[in-house]
Amino acid sequence: EVQLVESGGGLVQPGGSLRLSCAASGFTFNTYWMSWVRQAPGKGLEWVANMKQDGSEKYYVDSVKGRFTISRDNAKNSLYLQMNSLRAEDTAFYYCARVSGRGWYPFDYWGQGTLVTVSS
Amino acid sequence: SYVLTQPPSVSVAPGRTARITCGGNNIGSKSVHWYQQKPGQAPVLVVYYDDDRPSGIPERFSGSNSGNTATLTISRVEAGDEAGYYCQVWDSDSDHYVFGTGTEVTVL
Repeated sequence: EVQLVESGGGLVQPGGSLRLSCAASGFTFNTYWMSWVRQAPGKGLEWVANMKQDGSEKYYVDSVKGRFTISRDNAKNSLYLQMNSLRAEDTAFYYCARVSGRGWYPFDYWGQGTLVTVSS
Repeated sequence: SYVLTQPPSVSVAPGRTARITCGGNNIGSKSVHWYQQKPGQAPVLVVYYDDDRPSGIPERFSGSNSGNTATLTISRVEAGDEAGYYCQVWDSDSDHYVFGTGTEVTVL
């Protein structure tokens, strides 16, 4: 059974940093692209970033470029999102999601999400 | 940037058919995926590549895509179908994944 479990969310002040983790199991992690998708409370879904199997390609939504960094450790079956210079508008549930490739592929499995709150 | 527009809400009686639209410029030329999200839960893929269903998703869920509108159809609606539904495409021009604005389905 495919499982994705996020952790690392919490309350952080504006300008602060946070590192999210996603532990994957039930599939061969190093054969899939992986993504982060976020959802502000009561709002819609927004893709944040994704990363190729070997880490050689990374893509970000414009609003987080230069502030967020996606990474992975295939030996630990884990995906990460380092978030710096956090803003109030980054407040959201952050989901990791599996995707078979870049482009037309769907997000076929999602974790339960971790809540990031940016507030003073 | 590419925009996907969905009606904020759709109401349907049990046993009837719900149709959720997703409007976008020439969306018929793109592959559309649909996700169901129940309150407090993660999204679940219910239709992909316009009209395919993942294993475990009931045949009551179907999709179509043509011109400027993609549609998710839920036949014989059940109380358990009450949820938010999001369409999604990949916009090759911006190299970004785009989600629709979302539709809340209420079962009367």
